[in-house]
Order: sequence, then C-alpha cells, then structure tokens
Amino acid sequence: AQSVAQPEDQVNVAEGNPLTVKCTYSVSGNPYLFWYVQYPNRGLQFLLKYITGDNLVKGSYGFEAEFNKSQTSFHLKKPSALVSDSALYFCAVSARMDSSYKLIFGSGTRLLVRP
Amino acid sequence: DAGITQSPRHKVTETGTPVTLRCHQTENHRYMYWYRQDPGHGLRLIHYSYGVKDTDKGEVSDGYSVSRSKTEDFLLTLESATSSQTSVYFCAISGQTSNYEQYFGPGTRLTVT
Repeated sequence: AQSVAQPEDQVNVAEGNPLTVKCTYSVSGNPYLFWYVQYPNRGLQFLLKYITGDNLVKGSYGFEAEFNKSQTSFHLKKPSALVSDSALYFCAVSARMDSSYKLIFGSGTRLLVRP
Repeated sequence: DAGITQSPRHKVTETGTPVTLRCHQTENHRYMYWYRQDPGHGLRLIHYSYGVKDTDKGEVSDGYSVSRSKTEDFLLTLESATSSQTSVYFCAISGQTSNYEQYFGPGTRLTVT
C-alpha cells in the first residue's frame, strides 16, 4: 500500500536551534515528494518538492529537505528555527492510482518553536 | 491563497439536509480537488476533476457528489449531511498531476448538528 508516515505528532524546539520534522514514505516507482505548511485557520501552503536530481532540496522560508532513497525518508529541516515557524507541517507523496496521480498526505506534525 | 476562493467559509447545518460547497479558481488550472481534514488523518481526497464534466472518486467519496460545469468552478455536495461529515473542507488546484504541487484554498468549516 502506498502511504506516508510522520512519526511525531509534535516537535518542540527552541528559537535559533536547528529543527527536523520527519517523514517516511512507501510508494511504488519513483517518488514525487512534497512538504506543505498550514498556519491556523488557513489552507496549506507549498514549501518544497523533490522530483529528481540533488537529494537536498531548498524551499521557501529557509526550509530544506533531504531525500534518502535507501531509508525511504524525506525529512524537513531548517538550520535556525524562528517562533514564526510554529505551524502544522504535512508531508505528501504523489502516487499513481488508477489513471492519474494523487497526493497522499501524512497525518501532520505540529512544530512549536519556543522563544 | 493562489487565486482560489471557497464559499461559504463557515456553515452549520442539520443532519439530513443537503449542503453544497463551492470552489472557484482564477488560475485556469485543469485539475481540481476536494479534501477533508480531520485530526489525526491529515487530508483525505474526496473527489477530483481532471476537466470540465470529468470527475472521479477519491479515498472517502461515500456521501459526497461533485460537479464541474466550468473550468473555474468545482462544487461539492453532501447529499444528506451526517455528523461524521463535520470537518474542514479544502479545495485545491494544479496545472498537472504527477509532479506538480497543488495550491489550496482557505477552507470551509462545516458543522453538522
């Protein structure tokens, strides 16, 4: 079965420290991987994606993600967290189902950055 | 929110009544999607459309129907609302499917009493 797992419901980090939000996936074929962020009472905003090429992908707001094929992981990272990064983060994989591709989302990880 | 609007933004309705949610885009994107968001489940696909009058079911389509008569509008109908359909509903659009990101609307919070 094609799926995405975000093993941590919440990640707590102090402002200025590096952060990592974990994501692992299971999909047949080459994976297309995405990270989205959701602020309170808002829709999801696209952060970054991995399609092919360099395993380290850079995205919006200083975030980056590292694709690791052998570990089937796509962890989201940021070298120095900001309080304003506090939000809900979703990992997603594009999986072929029937005749088209669909996004499968993880359950989300709440990031709390304390001052 | 990338030229996507949803209406209404909030709605309270009673069990057994029909409800229609509207998604409107100004991006002329081909693909449109309806998701529901529930705690612990992330987002789950209800229905999607790959063109005018072309729609297909998603993961949690029971109790929902959709219609797309124009490129810019995608309607989601709850034929007879139930309390289990209390959720936040998001519309999304994309220009392609496989490796293109989706852009999301602001959401509709629906409460079925």
